[in-house]
Amino acid sequence: EVQLVESGGGLIQPGGSLRLSCAASGFTVSSNFMSWVRQAPGKGLEWVSIIYSGGGTYYVDSVKGRFTISRDNSENTLYLQMNSLRAEDTAVYYCARGVTRSNFFDYWGQGTLVTVSS
Amino acid sequence: QTVVTQEPSFSVSPGGTVTLTCGLSSGSVSPSYYPSWYQQTPGQAPRTLIYTTNTRSSGVPDRFSGSILGNKAALTITGAQADDESDYYCLLYMGSGIWVFGGGTKLTVL
Repeated sequence: EVQLVESGGGLIQPGGSLRLSCAASGFTVSSNFMSWVRQAPGKGLEWVSIIYSGGGTYYVDSVKGRFTISRDNSENTLYLQMNSLRAEDTAVYYCARGVTRSNFFDYWGQGTLVTVSS
Repeated sequence: QTVVTQEPSFSVSPGGTVTLTCGLSSGSVSPSYYPSWYQQTPGQAPRTLIYTTNTRSSGVPDRFSGSILGNKAALTITGAQADDESDYYCLLYMGSGIWVFGGGTKLTVL
């Protein structure tokens, strides 16, 4: 059974850093593309970042240079390193598994809340 | 920057049919954008409904269908039920590793 479990969220001051984790089971993170999607309170879904099986990474413009997506194949875990956090980064962060060639996300984690506030 | 557009809200009667759309601020949605649709209820993670324009995800009832209507992707719910009351999001692949969600449609069943 495919499962994605996020962790690492919490309250952080503006300018701070946080690393989110997404532990995967039932499949290998390196064999699919994986994404982070966030949802600010009361707002819609926003795609944040993606890492392809070949290692290529891409980001939404608002987080470029501040966020880094990565994976640890031995731990079967996806990460999102978030630096220089801003109030507008406050959101629930979901990890999602992608399906190659069909280009969609088929499994989602339950999300982890990041609150950026002083 | 291209914006993906959705109706902010829609209402349908129980048993009725509703079509939600997903467009582009500039240009037309085609299958090459790999349109997919997701359902989300408050406090829950998104659930995948439709991918590659019109393929239902595993376990999704056949009252949900996807298509291209004119220059937009569309999600049609035929025979709406009370538990279809949710937020619906479309997602488009813009190419070059970039994805964009629509703003979402809040569907009310009453």
